[in-house]
Amino acid sequence: QVTLKESGPGILQPSQTLSLTCSFSGFLLSASSVGVGWIRQPSGKGLEWLATIEWGDVKHYNPFLKSRLTISKDTSNNQVFLKITNVDTADTGIYYCAHNYGGFDYWGQGVMVTVSS
Amino acid sequence: DVVLTQTPPTSSATIGQSVSISCRSSQSLLDSAGNTYLYWYLQRPSQSPQLLIYLVSKLGSGVPNRFSGSGSGTDFTLKISGVEAEDLGVYYCVQGTHDPTFGAGTKLELK
Repeated sequence: QVTLKESGPGILQPSQTLSLTCSFSGFLLSASSVGVGWIRQPSGKGLEWLATIEWGDVKHYNPFLKSRLTISKDTSNNQVFLKITNVDTADTGIYYCAHNYGGFDYWGQGVMVTVSS
Repeated sequence: DVVLTQTPPTSSATIGQSVSISCRSSQSLLDSAGNTYLYWYLQRPSQSPQLLIYLVSKLGSGVPNRFSGSGSGTDFTLKISGVEAEDLGVYYCVQGTHDPTFGAGTKLELK
């Protein structure tokens, strides 16, 4: 059974760095063609893809946010990480991680992140 | 980036009615290997999105067969043949041929 769970700081201040963790089970990120992606959703709005890391450590970033994003993984501990630098209020929303194998087929429950001074 | 335009933004249906949602891409989603990475998701209120359709027309695991997908190139359609109460929520088309992008969503409501 594939499960994913996001964790994060909850609240942070503008200009800080947001660090998110996706802890997963039921699959191996070392398996061929498997990836984990991060997607976010501002309150009451649509979905925005942020980044994906693949089994071979290939990384893909949303080109509009690339300068602020860093995705990484710890295959041994079944975790994927996302860092977003220099946050502001526009980064407030729910952040999801998802298993990617022919689409984002399994999603975590999401973690709410609020950027506020 | 690839822009996906979904229509209508809102759809009202009665239980049992059939509904179609359109998704138009600003670029062809056919890749050089002949694959089209177009997906449909349903996000029920306060839930994470659920994969309904992948590769334009393939049904996701456990998805009822009242859902179907069709299309090619830049024009795609999701059809629900006989809406049920559990189908209410926001539907998103997503493309993965290029850097992933999401449509703005279509909210399916009860009439």
